[in-house]
Amino acid sequence: NAGVTQTPKFQVLKTGQSMTLQCAQDMNHEYMSWYRQDPGMGLRLIHYSVGAGITDQGEVPNGYNVSRSTTEDFPLRLLSAAPSQTSVYFCATQRFSRANSPLHFGNGTRLTVT
Amino acid sequence: DAKTTQPTSMDCAEGRAANLPCNHSTISGNEYVYWYRQIHSQGPQYIIHGLKNNETNEMASLIITEDRKSSTLILPHATLRDTAVYYCIVRLYGQNFVFGPGTRLSVLP
Repeated sequence: NAGVTQTPKFQVLKTGQSMTLQCAQDMNHEYMSWYRQDPGMGLRLIHYSVGAGITDQGEVPNGYNVSRSTTEDFPLRLLSAAPSQTSVYFCATQRFSRANSPLHFGNGTRLTVT
Repeated sequence: DAKTTQPTSMDCAEGRAANLPCNHSTISGNEYVYWYRQIHSQGPQYIIHGLKNNETNEMASLIITEDRKSSTLILPHATLRDTAVYYCIVRLYGQNFVFGPGTRLSVLP
């Protein structure tokens, strides 16, 4: 039982490049989400999904796309990276059907855009 | 916006109890209080949550005041490994988790 797995752990991009951050979970959790964390700040919600085929925007969705074709995977796409997207990205999951269950986090992807 | 207020930082001596306060004066009757911590940019780790009764698990205790407007997370015997940022979150079932800046706890030898 690996929990929440994020890949890659580190990535450096040039401005304008695209990439996909991967998030996979093996807990059969309905809810998956992406947060970003900038230095010295709390986590901000980018996008989330309450089940396969359903996605919605969080607090800071601009510049990011998501899709949810399976329960297990929730990739985050940067179509044209900008230096402002330099951050640490965390994927989190939750057993949404169980009221008030906690979020479970991956260990993050550290992205630098130059 | 986060619905909670926490001190920016706290110190605690190793081996002592660490008491981390959280103010949530606008909490509604069905909102739960959750605590997470984040150790040095790792993924946040769930600690405990509760509605109105005090809760205890192997990591910590959560004390919620009778009027539910504030709570305290207690680490009974703090160790150096408990140095982290601690987040208090108030959330209604079905809502997203909103993280504030948290409290930076430093456990001192």
